[in-house]
Amino acid sequence: EPEVTQTPSHQVTQMGQEVILRCVPISNHLYFYWYRQILGQKVEFLVSFYNNEISEKSEIFDDQFSVERPDGSNFTLKIRSTKLEDSAMYFCARGKSYNSPLHFGNGTRLTVT
Amino acid sequence: AQSVTQLDSQVPVFEEAPVELRCNYSSSVSVYLFWYVQYPNQGLQLLLKYLSGSTLVKGINGFEAEFNKSQTSFHLRKPSVHISDTAEYFCAVSEEYGNKLVFGAGTILRVKS
Repeated sequence: EPEVTQTPSHQVTQMGQEVILRCVPISNHLYFYWYRQILGQKVEFLVSFYNNEISEKSEIFDDQFSVERPDGSNFTLKIRSTKLEDSAMYFCARGKSYNSPLHFGNGTRLTVT
Repeated sequence: AQSVTQLDSQVPVFEEAPVELRCNYSSSVSVYLFWYVQYPNQGLQLLLKYLSGSTLVKGINGFEAEFNKSQTSFHLRKPSVHISDTAEYFCAVSEEYGNKLVFGAGTILRVKS
Protein backbone atom coordinates (compact mmCIF):
# COMPACT_ATOMS: atom_id res chain seq x y z
CA GLU A 1 0.00 0.00 0.00
CA PRO A 2 1.70 3.19 -1.14
CA GLU A 3 1.89 6.06 1.30
CA VAL A 4 1.42 8.49 -1.54
CA THR A 5 -1.44 8.18 -4.03
CA GLN A 6 -0.94 9.54 -7.52
CA THR A 7 -3.61 10.13 -10.13
CA PRO A 8 -4.00 9.32 -12.89
CA SER A 9 -1.85 6.23 -13.23
CA HIS A 10 -1.56 6.85 -16.97
CA GLN A 11 -2.23 10.02 -18.94
CA VAL A 12 -2.11 10.34 -22.70
CA THR A 13 -2.15 13.83 -24.13
CA GLN A 14 -1.44 15.62 -27.35
CA MET A 15 1.56 17.87 -27.78
CA GLY A 16 0.79 21.42 -26.69
CA GLN A 17 -1.93 20.44 -24.24
CA GLU A 18 -1.85 21.20 -20.54
CA VAL A 19 -1.73 18.34 -18.06
CA ILE A 20 -2.13 18.26 -14.30
CA LEU A 21 -0.70 15.38 -12.32
CA ARG A 22 -2.01 14.91 -8.81
CA CYS A 23 -0.53 13.57 -5.64
CA VAL A 24 -2.31 12.91 -2.37
CA PRO A 25 -0.01 12.21 0.55
CA ILE A 26 -1.76 10.06 3.07
CA SER A 27 -0.08 11.48 6.14
CA ASN A 28 0.45 15.09 7.17
CA HIS A 29 3.94 15.59 5.88
CA LEU A 30 5.19 18.98 4.87
CA TYR A 31 7.89 18.26 2.30
CA PHE A 32 6.84 17.28 -1.20
CA TYR A 33 8.79 16.48 -4.31
CA TRP A 34 8.35 15.65 -7.96
CA TYR A 35 10.77 13.41 -9.80
CA ARG A 36 10.57 12.02 -13.29
CA GLN A 37 12.01 9.04 -15.10
CA ILE A 38 12.23 9.11 -18.86
CA LEU A 39 12.15 5.57 -20.24
CA GLY A 40 15.58 4.01 -19.97
CA GLN A 41 17.08 6.94 -18.09
CA LYS A 42 17.80 7.91 -14.50
CA VAL A 43 15.22 9.15 -12.03
CA GLU A 44 15.67 12.93 -12.03
CA PHE A 45 14.77 15.54 -9.44
CA LEU A 46 12.35 18.20 -10.64
CA VAL A 47 11.25 20.27 -7.67
CA SER A 48 10.86 20.33 -3.91
CA PHE A 49 8.03 22.12 -2.14
CA TYR A 50 7.67 23.18 1.46
CA ASN A 51 5.27 25.46 3.26
CA ASN A 52 3.49 26.27 0.02
CA GLU A 53 6.65 27.42 -1.68
CA ILE A 54 9.20 25.93 -4.03
CA SER A 55 12.35 25.31 -2.01
CA GLU A 56 14.51 24.01 -4.83
CA LYS A 57 14.11 23.24 -8.50
CA SER A 58 16.24 21.66 -11.19
CA GLU A 59 17.16 23.01 -14.60
CA ILE A 60 14.48 20.75 -16.07
CA PHE A 61 11.80 22.64 -14.14
CA ASP A 62 11.40 25.52 -16.55
CA ASP A 63 8.52 27.93 -17.06
CA GLN A 64 6.38 25.17 -18.55
CA PHE A 65 6.18 23.53 -15.14
CA SER A 66 4.41 24.69 -12.00
CA VAL A 67 3.47 23.14 -8.68
CA GLU A 68 0.94 24.01 -6.07
CA ARG A 69 -0.97 22.63 -3.14
CA PRO A 70 -4.24 24.45 -3.60
CA ASP A 71 -6.38 22.85 -0.94
CA GLY A 72 -3.74 21.88 1.60
CA SER A 73 -4.03 18.27 0.58
CA ASN A 74 -3.50 17.57 -3.11
CA PHE A 75 -0.08 18.43 -4.47
CA THR A 76 -0.14 19.04 -8.21
CA LEU A 77 2.35 19.29 -11.03
CA LYS A 78 1.15 21.22 -14.06
CA ILE A 79 2.83 21.12 -17.42
CA ARG A 80 1.49 24.07 -19.35
CA SER A 81 2.21 23.03 -22.94
CA THR A 82 3.44 19.48 -23.21
CA LYS A 83 6.24 18.45 -25.53
CA LEU A 84 7.09 15.00 -26.82
CA GLU A 85 10.13 14.91 -24.54
CA ASP A 86 7.90 15.35 -21.47
CA SER A 87 6.84 11.72 -21.90
CA ALA A 88 8.04 10.03 -18.74
CA MET A 89 6.99 8.47 -15.46
CA TYR A 90 6.40 11.22 -12.91
CA PHE A 91 6.82 10.35 -9.24
CA CYS A 92 5.55 12.32 -6.31
CA ALA A 93 7.36 11.89 -3.00
CA ARG A 94 6.92 13.11 0.53
CA GLY A 95 9.24 13.55 3.47
CA LYS A 96 8.64 14.04 7.15
CA SER A 97 11.40 16.61 7.55
CA TYR A 98 14.04 18.40 5.56
CA ASN A 99 16.34 15.47 4.90
CA SER A 100 14.33 12.47 5.97
CA PRO A 101 14.01 9.50 3.62
CA LEU A 102 11.50 10.01 0.86
CA HIS A 103 8.45 7.88 0.25
CA PHE A 104 7.33 7.69 -3.34
CA GLY A 105 4.02 7.12 -5.02
CA ASN A 106 3.46 4.58 -7.80
CA GLY A 107 3.90 7.24 -10.43
CA THR A 108 1.93 8.67 -13.33
CA ARG A 109 2.99 7.57 -16.77
CA LEU A 110 2.63 10.56 -19.09
CA THR A 111 2.59 9.88 -22.81
CA VAL A 112 2.69 12.89 -25.13
CA THR A 113 1.73 12.14 -28.73
CA ALA B 1 27.17 18.33 -6.62
CA GLN B 2 26.76 14.62 -6.12
CA SER B 3 26.79 11.80 -8.60
CA VAL B 4 26.04 8.09 -8.33
CA THR B 5 27.42 5.29 -10.44
CA GLN B 6 25.85 1.86 -10.49
CA LEU B 7 28.41 -0.28 -12.19
CA ASP B 8 26.10 -3.02 -13.48
CA SER B 9 23.06 -2.33 -15.57
CA GLN B 10 21.85 -5.93 -15.23
CA VAL B 11 22.72 -8.72 -12.82
CA PRO B 12 21.42 -12.23 -13.55
CA VAL B 13 21.58 -14.65 -10.65
CA PHE B 14 20.11 -18.02 -9.78
CA GLU B 15 17.61 -18.40 -6.98
CA GLU B 16 19.16 -18.91 -3.52
CA ALA B 17 22.52 -17.55 -4.69
CA PRO B 18 24.08 -14.49 -3.05
CA VAL B 19 24.08 -11.18 -4.86
CA GLU B 20 25.89 -7.87 -4.64
CA LEU B 21 24.75 -4.75 -6.47
CA ARG B 22 27.46 -2.14 -6.65
CA CYS B 23 27.11 1.57 -6.05
CA ASN B 24 29.75 4.27 -5.93
CA TYR B 25 29.15 7.92 -5.29
CA SER B 26 31.02 11.18 -5.43
CA SER B 27 30.40 14.22 -3.30
CA SER B 28 32.37 17.09 -1.82
CA VAL B 29 30.19 17.10 1.31
CA SER B 30 28.86 14.53 3.74
CA VAL B 31 26.01 12.50 2.35
CA TYR B 32 23.12 10.25 3.18
CA LEU B 33 22.78 7.09 1.10
CA PHE B 34 19.75 5.10 0.07
CA TRP B 35 18.69 2.06 -1.89
CA TYR B 36 15.28 2.00 -3.51
CA VAL B 37 13.61 -0.91 -5.29
CA GLN B 38 11.15 -0.68 -8.16
CA TYR B 39 9.06 -3.73 -8.93
CA PRO B 40 7.44 -3.91 -12.38
CA ASN B 41 4.73 -1.29 -12.83
CA GLN B 42 5.19 0.04 -9.33
CA GLY B 43 6.76 3.05 -7.66
CA LEU B 44 10.01 3.39 -5.77
CA GLN B 45 10.11 1.67 -2.39
CA LEU B 46 12.73 2.50 0.19
CA LEU B 47 14.86 -0.58 0.83
CA LEU B 48 17.34 0.84 3.32
CA LYS B 49 19.20 3.98 4.26
CA TYR B 50 22.46 5.13 5.78
CA LEU B 51 22.26 8.37 7.70
CA SER B 52 24.93 7.94 10.38
CA GLY B 53 26.24 5.43 12.89
CA SER B 54 26.98 1.82 12.00
CA THR B 55 28.25 1.46 8.47
CA LEU B 56 26.36 -1.81 7.99
CA VAL B 57 22.68 -1.14 7.53
CA LYS B 58 19.92 -3.68 7.26
CA GLY B 59 16.82 -3.15 5.24
CA ILE B 60 13.65 -4.92 4.26
CA ASN B 61 13.44 -8.29 2.53
CA GLY B 62 16.79 -9.47 3.90
CA PHE B 63 18.91 -6.88 2.11
CA GLU B 64 21.83 -5.07 3.70
CA ALA B 65 24.35 -2.50 2.55
CA GLU B 66 27.70 -1.32 3.80
CA PHE B 67 28.86 2.26 3.69
CA ASN B 68 32.56 2.55 2.89
CA LYS B 69 33.65 6.16 3.11
CA SER B 70 37.21 5.59 1.91
CA GLN B 71 36.01 3.80 -1.21
CA THR B 72 32.91 6.02 -1.55
CA SER B 73 30.79 2.92 -1.99
CA PHE B 74 27.46 1.66 -0.72
CA HIS B 75 27.07 -1.83 -2.14
CA LEU B 76 23.83 -3.75 -1.63
CA ARG B 77 23.94 -7.42 -0.70
CA LYS B 78 21.64 -10.33 -0.04
CA PRO B 79 22.94 -13.77 0.97
CA SER B 80 20.18 -15.72 -0.78
CA VAL B 81 17.85 -14.25 -3.38
CA HIS B 82 14.31 -15.28 -4.31
CA ILE B 83 12.45 -15.06 -7.57
CA SER B 84 10.39 -12.28 -6.00
CA ASP B 85 13.52 -10.11 -5.69
CA THR B 86 13.47 -9.59 -9.45
CA ALA B 87 13.22 -5.81 -9.80
CA GLU B 88 15.23 -2.72 -10.57
CA TYR B 89 17.35 -1.35 -7.75
CA PHE B 90 18.38 2.27 -7.48
CA CYS B 91 21.15 3.71 -5.37
CA ALA B 92 20.65 7.35 -4.36
CA VAL B 93 22.51 10.02 -2.43
CA SER B 94 21.56 13.30 -0.83
CA GLU B 95 23.61 15.94 0.90
CA GLU B 96 23.60 15.61 4.67
CA TYR B 97 21.84 18.95 4.88
CA GLY B 98 19.93 18.79 1.63
CA ASN B 99 16.63 17.41 0.46
CA LYS B 100 17.32 16.45 -3.12
CA LEU B 101 18.03 12.86 -4.10
CA VAL B 102 20.46 12.08 -6.90
CA PHE B 103 19.87 8.64 -8.35
CA GLY B 104 22.06 6.15 -10.10
CA ALA B 105 21.01 4.64 -13.42
CA GLY B 106 19.63 1.53 -11.75
CA THR B 107 20.53 -2.16 -11.77
CA ILE B 108 18.05 -4.75 -12.96
CA LEU B 109 18.29 -7.86 -10.83
CA ARG B 110 16.98 -10.94 -12.65
CA VAL B 111 16.60 -13.99 -10.46
CA LYS B 112 16.33 -17.24 -12.37
CA SER B 113 15.06 -20.59 -11.14
